Amino acid sequence: DAGVTQSPTHLIKTRGQQVTLRCSPKSGHDTVSWYQQALGQGPQFIFQYYEEEERQRGNFPDRFSGHQFPNYSSELNVNALLLGDSALYLCASSSRGGRNEKLFFGSGTQLSVL
Amino acid sequence: DAKTTQPPSMDCAEGRAANLPCNHSTISGNEYVYWYRQIHSQGPQYIIHGLKNNETNEMASLIITEDRKSSTLILPHATLRDTAVYYCIVRVGSGNTGKLIFGQGTTLQVKP
Repeated sequence: DAGVTQSPTHLIKTRGQQVTLRCSPKSGHDTVSWYQQALGQGPQFIFQYYEEEERQRGNFPDRFSGHQFPNYSSELNVNALLLGDSALYLCASSSRGGRNEKLFFGSGTQLSVL
Repeated sequence: DAKTTQPPSMDCAEGRAANLPCNHSTISGNEYVYWYRQIHSQGPQYIIHGLKNNETNEMASLIITEDRKSSTLILPHATLRDTAVYYCIVRVGSGNTGKLIFGQGTTLQVKP
């Protein structure tokens, strides 16, 4: 049973560019959440997708957007990249039907903005 | 902001119990306490969670005080592979919202 998979594992971009990160949830899960983790900090919640809609959003600008597909996989898009967007981007999946279900995290995508 | 306070770092001898404290004095009655850990360059790994009763699983035990203002994660026999950052999290919102507010965590160093 595959867990949460993310691609790519590493990415280098320059300021002003756009990036797309991808996530496949754990089998049986229908909800995907995205987190940003700067070096030396705990992960910060970006947003959550369920039934192909954004359900909750953290304190992130509109440059950060996402999408969920019918197969529950998800993408995170970041436009007009800034140096401060350099971070580990984590995807987590869960089952909406579970009460206080635990989140399963992927290994993340390390984004470097030069 | 995170609703939890943890010491920034702790050491533990290999084979001994590691006791990681967490304060969550503003926790609400329906909020759960979750513990995750993160080994360098990996995603956070779920350890355990609880509401008000003590919990135990194959990885750890969670002791929550009666007033629910603090808790302790216990790794009964720490190994070198338990060296990681441990996050104590109060889950915001009811049901499965997927939103966890992480603090800085405790860096646990297990020494031989």
